[in-house]
Amino acid sequence: AQSVTQLGSHVSVSEGALVLLRCNYSSSVPPYLFWYVQYPNQGLQLLLKYTSAATLVKGINGFEAEFKKSETSFHLTKPSAHMSDAAEYFCAVSDQSSNYKLTFGKGTLLTVNP
Amino acid sequence: DSGVTQTPKHLITATGQRVTLRCSPRSGDLSVYWYQQSLDQGLQFLIQYYNGEERAKGNILERFSAQQFPDLHSELNLSSLELGDSALYFCASSVYPNTGNTGELFFGEGSRLTVL
Repeated sequence: AQSVTQLGSHVSVSEGALVLLRCNYSSSVPPYLFWYVQYPNQGLQLLLKYTSAATLVKGINGFEAEFKKSETSFHLTKPSAHMSDAAEYFCAVSDQSSNYKLTFGKGTLLTVNP
Repeated sequence: DSGVTQTPKHLITATGQRVTLRCSPRSGDLSVYWYQQSLDQGLQFLIQYYNGEERAKGNILERFSAQQFPDLHSELNLSSLELGDSALYFCASSVYPNTGNTGELFFGEGSRLTVL
């Protein structure tokens, strides 16, 4: 069975600082991995995805994530945080064994301080 | 704007009551997914419909039911409501019967249910 663990339910950074949101997955077959973002009072939207091509994936708003099979990780990073990045971020996994059902992590709330 | 419309945005009701949440998917999308988001459980998949038929079932309680109509809109019915059912209910849509390697679901803004 597939699962996702997001380390840290709340991450706080200063504006201009590095953003690092951690995600580890468990999957018995090659996974597809995703990051979704939820801004206040909105639904989730896809930020970026790994689908077995390049291991370093670039998404919208300057975010990127690197798939590391040996570490079963897919951490999300951004070199310089902006106030508008404040949101909740969800890591998700799907694979063939689950008929591509998306399984979401519990989310990490990112706070950006001025 | 994702193109997915959910109504109502907010709903307050009492224990034991029944409510219906409605979702209109993006134009052209055949799949509708329902998710429940709560502080303690996170984002939980409830059920998926594809072109009018149930496609996948998740952690949906027997008190809950859903359907997708010929015009592709969907309704989630919650009955015998309990305090613990208070949550944000999301609808999401996609074109295909499964997310495959695209992973892209288009979410509505959710319906916030408060059970008093």
